[in-house]
Amino acid sequence: EVQLVESGGGLVQPGGSLRLSCAASGFTFSGYSMNWVRQAPGKGLEWVSFISSSSSTIYYADSVKGRFTISRDNAKNSLYLQMNSLRDEDTAVYYCARQSSGWTLDYWGQGTLVTVSS
Amino acid sequence: QSALTQPPSASGSPGQSVTISCTGTSSDVGGYNYVSWYQQHPGKAPKLMIYEVSKRPSGVPDRFSGSKSGNTASLTVSGLQAEDEADYYCSSYAGSNNLRVFGTGTKVTVL
Repeated sequence: EVQLVESGGGLVQPGGSLRLSCAASGFTFSGYSMNWVRQAPGKGLEWVSFISSSSSTIYYADSVKGRFTISRDNAKNSLYLQMNSLRDEDTAVYYCARQSSGWTLDYWGQGTLVTVSS
Repeated sequence: QSALTQPPSASGSPGQSVTISCTGTSSDVGGYNYVSWYQQHPGKAPKLMIYEVSKRPSGVPDRFSGSKSGNTASLTVSGLQAEDEADYYCSSYAGSNNLRVFGTGTKVTVL
């Protein structure tokens, strides 16, 4: 069974940093590209970042470019999101999601809440 | 990159059908057959319902179907059931610059 479990969320002050993790199991993690998607309270889904299976290709949404860094450790079956210079508008539930054919996000974690507030 | 446009709400009685539209541009929905649809119940993670415009993952009822015409994709839920009440989001590949865009979301209510 495919499982994605996020962790690392919490309350952080504006300008602060946080590192999210996503532990994957039930599939060959090194064979799949992965994504981070976020959802602000009461709002819709927003794609945040993409990383290919070998980490050779990485993309970011304009809203986080230069502040967030995606990475992965295939030996540890883990995906990460380093978030720096956090802003109020980064407050959201952050989901990790596996990408399959056709740019499809076929499995999602349960999400971890990041709250940026003073 | 602007979000894809969906109606805020849609509704139908049990057994009826409801269709949700998802309008983009030739740079996303109209340019690629990489439209997917996600169902999200309150407090839960999104779940894949349709991928590559009209393909259904294993385990998704055949009451759910997808299509596309030009820059607009559509999700139809036939034979509405109480458990179909949820938020639905479309998503499209948007090229190597913007990569992926989501729709604004549609709340489906089963009357």
